[in-house]
This record gives sequence, C-alpha cells and structure tokens, in this order.
Amino acid sequence: DAGITQSPRHKVTETGTPVTLRCHQTENHRYMYWYRQDPGHGLRLIHYSYGVKDTDKGEVSDGYSVSRSKTEDFLLTLESATSSQTSVYFCAISSVGAIDQPQHFGDGTRLSIL
Amino acid sequence: QQQVKQSPQSLIVQKGGISIINCAYENTAFDYFPWYQQFPGKGPALLIAIRPDVSEKKEGRFTISFNKSAKQFSLHIMDSQPGDSATYFCAASIPGSNYKLTFGKGTLLTVNP
Repeated sequence: DAGITQSPRHKVTETGTPVTLRCHQTENHRYMYWYRQDPGHGLRLIHYSYGVKDTDKGEVSDGYSVSRSKTEDFLLTLESATSSQTSVYFCAISSVGAIDQPQHFGDGTRLSIL
Repeated sequence: QQQVKQSPQSLIVQKGGISIINCAYENTAFDYFPWYQQFPGKGPALLIAIRPDVSEKKEGRFTISFNKSAKQFSLHIMDSQPGDSATYFCAASIPGSNYKLTFGKGTLLTVNP
C-alpha cells in the first residue's frame, strides 16, 4: 500500500464546531487530493495541492479550506461543520510523471456531524 | 453536470460469470481512464487503466474495452469470484489538469457463490 495515513479514522462532532482532518504521506509525492464520498455521488474532489503552499479548489469546495505547509501533510478544515458535511473523506496522492498517472488513496475518515 | 456516467448502479453475478460495467463520457479532452476497486472500509485502489490510443487492455481476469468514437469504456471481469464483490468506479482525467480525476458514481458488484 502507498504510504498514506489519514487521521482521525472516525470522528463525531456537533454542528458549528471546527474540524480538521489530516493526511500524511511518506512517498514524497507532489500532488495531494481531498475527496468526499457519499452514497449515490461517488467520489467528488474538494481541494487539491500541486506543491507546498500551492492549492486549488475542486468541484465541491464550499465550506472547506486546506493547507499544505510541507510535502508530507495536507490538512482539510471545516471551519464551521454542518450536517451536510457528514461523509467519508478520502485523501489521495499522485506523483509527477508517474506512468498512467495513478492516484493512490488512504483508507478514509468517517465524519459524522450531529 | 456529471461528466462520467456509470451503469449499472448495482450488479449481481453468479460465480464464474462475466461482470460488465459501463461508463460514458462527454468531454473529448479526457485522455486517461482508470478503474478503481473499493472494499468496505477501505480506500479505492487502482485496478486497471487505459488510454484512448488502444481499444482494449487486459490484466488477468480484468479487461477494459474502449470505444473512442462512442465515448464509452467498460470493465469486464471474467470468471467472477466472490472475492471480486466490491464497489467499482470508473474515472477520467484531462492532460494538464494536475492529474485531477472525475469519477463515475460507482457500481456495487455482488458475486454469489
């Protein structure tokens, strides 16, 4: 398995609280991505990073922010969590020049917002 | 607007049978088409991928068929096994897009023993 660790693996919190999810990689890959997975929607890109301090929005970025201060860590923050953000969140990594450009995924964080 | 349409949503196959999952796309700029397999509680894992310059790619029991003119591609699982029971996602990416992937909504495959 690619060296990707997501933390926490499970979290329950209340509406209005801030939440930060962490993705840590040991592969030194340049690209990192945050997705959310919901029944009937597949995987949808929230934000991604193409280098340290270089980030951009995905298709469902409203209500989320990200930061990448070093190559190995990519943080996803929900500033004020809402029930609609209850989901399973996946981090993925990709290497520049990788044959066929595969993304490798972590095992996810299950987030419940009550 | 969904850019990659996947069907069926769910599929039940008997052991030894052939599983077929289809995807269609609109954007002709897509040039990389991977399939991912996901087991419960785990992240998606790359299964097999294809580029538009070939019409078919085979890896073991898994085959991608690609029809560029119809803008469709499909995953065929030969001799399906209960261990193949998982959710399968097709995806596509555009060159120069920072390797971003657009995913289909997924197909839940159940292989009965």
